[in-house]
Amino acid sequence: VQMTQSPSYLAASPGESVSISCKASKSISNNLAWYQEKPGKANKLLIHSGSTLQSGTPSRFSGSGSGTDFTLTIRSLESEDFAVYYCQQYNEYPPTFGGGTKLELK
Amino acid sequence: EVQLVESGGGLVQPGRSLKLSCAASGFTFSNYYMAWVRQAPKKGLEWVATISTSGSRTYYPDSVKGRFTISRDNAKSSLYLQMNSLKSEDTATYYCARHGGILRAPFAYWGQGTLVTVSS
Repeated sequence: VQMTQSPSYLAASPGESVSISCKASKSISNNLAWYQEKPGKANKLLIHSGSTLQSGTPSRFSGSGSGTDFTLTIRSLESEDFAVYYCQQYNEYPPTFGGGTKLELK
Repeated sequence: EVQLVESGGGLVQPGRSLKLSCAASGFTFSNYYMAWVRQAPKKGLEWVATISTSGSRTYYPDSVKGRFTISRDNAKSSLYLQMNSLKSEDTATYYCARHGGILRAPFAYWGQGTLVTVSS
């Protein structure tokens, strides 16, 4: 299953809201996860099952979608949110990742 | 606190072998599927291997099947990746990751990775 993320780069300011899209090449039900990657830190699972926040994920993060189209939304950006975000499907093997979205400070 | 600490990376010549290790702590290791995921320089994430809780079942993508072997030692809470016939395209940071309790689950925890460079 091919995962296509957009945009690849996104510039925003603290306090703004942003959305990242992830599209699967075939239906993956809601078996989709979102991860955050930051330099020097272990990747962090933010959301699984398309919209379920992993324990410890701030409520300003939300996920939506099912089937082939998914969205990660971050409301009221904080400084610690500037990072790279990946989607990943685990509906079937091999598990596959989107190409990533780098969220940069404007 | 869940911790995954990888080791064993380094510079290796094409065609040679290398074995990576991952020391797990903070959870009951034997209850979880485990995996290796890699990231080539300036590239995205690629799943490399998964192993079942007992170690009896393993899964690989075509890109490494027949060359890489994932294994585990539940008594030592350790995960391994034996990499043979290495190619330049295997150059990447390799991450140890914990699945959920089933095969089709996200990677709930990750290590910080160990860098493998395949070059002559």
